[in-house]
Amino acid sequence: DVKVTQSSRYLVKRTGEKVFLECVQDMDHENMFWYRQDPGLGLRLIYFSYDVKMKEKGDIPEGYSVSREKKERFSLILESASTNQTSMYLCASKLAGPPDTQYFGPGTRLTVL
Amino acid sequence: AQKVTQAQTEISVVEKEDVTLDCVYETRDTTYYLFWYKQPPSGELVFLIRRNSFDEQNEISGRYSWNFQKSTSSFNFTITASQVVDSAVYFCALSTNNAGNMLTFGGGTRLMVKP
Repeated sequence: DVKVTQSSRYLVKRTGEKVFLECVQDMDHENMFWYRQDPGLGLRLIYFSYDVKMKEKGDIPEGYSVSREKKERFSLILESASTNQTSMYLCASKLAGPPDTQYFGPGTRLTVL
Repeated sequence: AQKVTQAQTEISVVEKEDVTLDCVYETRDTTYYLFWYKQPPSGELVFLIRRNSFDEQNEISGRYSWNFQKSTSSFNFTITASQVVDSAVYFCALSTNNAGNMLTFGGGTRLMVKP
């Protein structure tokens, strides 16, 4: 059974804190993605990685960075959290190759006070 | 640039009614893929269907059906005889053969099915 897990379901941080969101998949997928979800805007891509140590900016990378040291793990980092980064963060993974199903984690609802 | 529009932000129906969720997309690529995902209250997106641009056949899966029309750039989703368990946010998405095969999502439609 395919599985994408995220380190926390709910997280509350203060402005200026460094925040790490972790995502782990057990499907040996090459491609991994971080999205944020806001009401009315759907999901917007922050960063993606098509292999270990590879990363590409998505549509809204400002204020975020990522790390992919191992194939199964993709971390999203907020260097200095701000209130406008309060959102739901979703991680996904898929096999390399043509567009195919992305498998999503349960999401992390981050609140920055 | 790619774009997906789901004009209906919220729909409310009574159980057993049929309901259609609209999706209109824009892309300059001739090869592309369309998806529908369901997000129940638990939050996890669940894959429902993938369709490529060369396959315009409509598809039916149980109470779910999809109508793909390239002429109008639409990929609409119909639920027949809706049930309370269908209550969720539904997302339409588009992807092309670019790096990473990124998904471009619509804004989502919240469907509420009342008993």
